[in-house]
Amino acid sequence: QQPVQSPQAVILREGEDAVINCSSSKALYSVHWYRQKHGEAPVFLMILLKGGEQKGHEKISASFNEKKQQSSLYLTASQLSYSGTYFCGTSSGNTPLVFGKGTRLSVIA
Amino acid sequence: NAGVMQNPRHLVRRRGQEARLRCSPMKGHSHVYWYRQLPEEGLKFMVYLQKENIIDESGMPKERFSAEFPKEGPSILRIQQVVRGDSAAYFCASSRTGPGGETQYFGPGTRLLVL
Repeated sequence: QQPVQSPQAVILREGEDAVINCSSSKALYSVHWYRQKHGEAPVFLMILLKGGEQKGHEKISASFNEKKQQSSLYLTASQLSYSGTYFCGTSSGNTPLVFGKGTRLSVIA
Repeated sequence: NAGVMQNPRHLVRRRGQEARLRCSPMKGHSHVYWYRQLPEEGLKFMVYLQKENIIDESGMPKERFSAEFPKEGPSILRIQQVVRGDSAAYFCASSRTGPGGETQYFGPGTRLLVL
C-alpha cells in the first residue's frame, strides 16, 4: 500500500516554512525521506525508525508517529536550494520501501 | 568512496530490442534495489537482490524483465523485447544491510527511451 503524501505541491517564498506529511494504512517500522531535483537521482535526507523519534538536519527535521502511522517533514526558513520533489518511503520491517507520489516544492525569491 | 554507479545513463532502443542496465553498488553494500520512475511520478519498486540471490521480485513484471546480481560484477536489469511503455528512468539503490532500517543510496539512473 502506497503511502499518501500531502500536499501534492506547495510554493514558498524564501524564508518561509513548510510541512510535508506522509501517512500509511499499514503499521510502519521506518520512514525514509528523499529529495529529488528534476532529472537527477533521489538524495537521502533522513531515516526515522519505529520509536516515535524526531530527527533534525540543519533546517530540515522530521517526526514519526508510529501509532498514527504518520511522518512529517519540516522545512524551516526555506532556501532556493530546497526546491524539488520530496518523497517518503515506508517499510513495515524487512520489506522493500514503498514510496509516495511525492510533494513538489517550489521556493521562489 | 564512490557512490552507486549506473550505466549507461541514457539508452535508446527500438521496439523488440533488448535493454541491459547495469548497477554497481557502493563499496561495502551487498543489497541492491531496482526502481522504475515514469515522468512526474514516484518511484516504483521492482526487485531486491542480494549477492547471487533474488530476495523479492514482487514489483517486477513476470514477462520480459529479469534481474541478477552475480558474485562478481554489477547487478543487471534486463528487459527483453522492449515496448514503448518501458520508456522510463530506472534507478538502482544499494544498502549495507537489508531494507527497512538501513539507508538506501541511489545511483544517477538510466533513462530508457523506446522508439
